[in-house]
Amino acid sequence: RKEVEQDPGPFNVPEGATVAFNCTYSNSASQSFFWYRQDCRKEPKLLMSVYSSGNEDGRFTAQLNRASQYISLLIRDSKLSDSATYLCVVLSGGYNKLIFGAGTRLAVHP
Amino acid sequence: DADVTQTPRNRITKTGKRIMLECSQTKGHDRMYWYRQDPGLGLQLIYYSFDVKDINKGEISDGYSVSRQAQAKFSLSLESAIPNQTALYFCATSDVRDPYKAQYFGPGTRLTVL
Repeated sequence: RKEVEQDPGPFNVPEGATVAFNCTYSNSASQSFFWYRQDCRKEPKLLMSVYSSGNEDGRFTAQLNRASQYISLLIRDSKLSDSATYLCVVLSGGYNKLIFGAGTRLAVHP
Repeated sequence: DADVTQTPRNRITKTGKRIMLECSQTKGHDRMYWYRQDPGLGLQLIYYSFDVKDINKGEISDGYSVSRQAQAKFSLSLESAIPNQTALYFCATSDVRDPYKAQYFGPGTRLTVL
């Protein structure tokens, strides 16, 4: 079983739609959680950290469920510019290692 | 200017050649990392360094070596390149003072080994 699992998608949604991505992680001792965004052939960019109480940044809302080892990202009012791959990332291990999911691809169309 | 830079951005080489990829950062972070990314896979950690005198192997260090020349510079070498090392390579940094340990990535080096 992979340490971080995501649905690869693609999720094809119209502009203005709300879309949600889920991610599960296997190590219950994981310490920090993130969503990164990666455009084709570019570097991953930190979208947001995920806090235990959940957090919101504009149109983006992240939730963490430690009991179920589950992380989610909700994007409201999707824009064309939101088209990208979204990486679920978990900090695990005694040496602060980031574990990356393979990503969920989002395509927003007019 | 970018906070994390990588050179070269693209490189094509032949099997058996020695290749060095370089990473520099102006973020003032003490921790630096090298990852590779293959299509459809998550990033895999090759090596990491928590300060100039600290070097650690990651998941896939075989065939690679690193050098931390200064706090701001971290180089990755392929001693004898082979075709399955064709991938996108990213350098990243993080700040020991960040309680969440987020990492920040350079633009990547696309390496092709023929």
